[in-house]
Amino acid sequence: KNQVEQSPQSLIILEGKNCTLQCNYTVSPFSNLRWYKQDTGRGPVSLTIMTFSENTKSNGRYTATLDADTKQSSLHITASQLSDSASYICVVTRNSGNTPLVFGKGTRLSVIA
Amino acid sequence: GAGVSQSPSNKVTEKGKDVELRCDPISGHTALYWYRQSLGQGLEFLIYFQGNSAPDKSGLPSDRFSAERTGGSVSTLTIQRTQQEDSAVYLCASSLDGTLDEQYFGPGTRLTVT
Repeated sequence: KNQVEQSPQSLIILEGKNCTLQCNYTVSPFSNLRWYKQDTGRGPVSLTIMTFSENTKSNGRYTATLDADTKQSSLHITASQLSDSASYICVVTRNSGNTPLVFGKGTRLSVIA
Repeated sequence: GAGVSQSPSNKVTEKGKDVELRCDPISGHTALYWYRQSLGQGLEFLIYFQGNSAPDKSGLPSDRFSAERTGGSVSTLTIQRTQQEDSAVYLCASSLDGTLDEQYFGPGTRLTVT
């Protein structure tokens, strides 16, 4: 079954601290994996996209990793800011078949002062 | 340039009524997607349009749901005989040329069925 599991479900950290969000997937055939940031009441905004051959991708203070062998990805946020408070969604795109994109339920991150 | 727009932003309807939700994709984007996000749940894929190809309807939850994309641009998601479990935020996204390209999301339509 094509699934994307994210952990933790929610996370609270102090401003300035680092954190790592996890994503495990069983989606196949795999095409790429994306991380999105979704602010409350807004649509998701893309942070990173990685294909099978990419191990790491950075976007400012966001760094995503991908291990295609173990089907795991992580999103590391460095020196968190209050504006990082949002839901972070992991999405895996399939190469073929129905349901071209499989979404995780997201991790709700709250950064507090 | 303009992003993806959706209307209405909020819709309250009575159970059993039909509703239409509109999505205006980014100009020139050939791919358009509809998703549903229920409270506390992840995004659920509904339907995917790519150019002139037959849409991928594999995510539509029931035959009460349908979508059209006229002229390869604007799309309308129709929900007939709405039920309370249809209450959710309906998000539309577009991409330049298929599922491998970056998707740009609209702000969503919050549907409440009373």
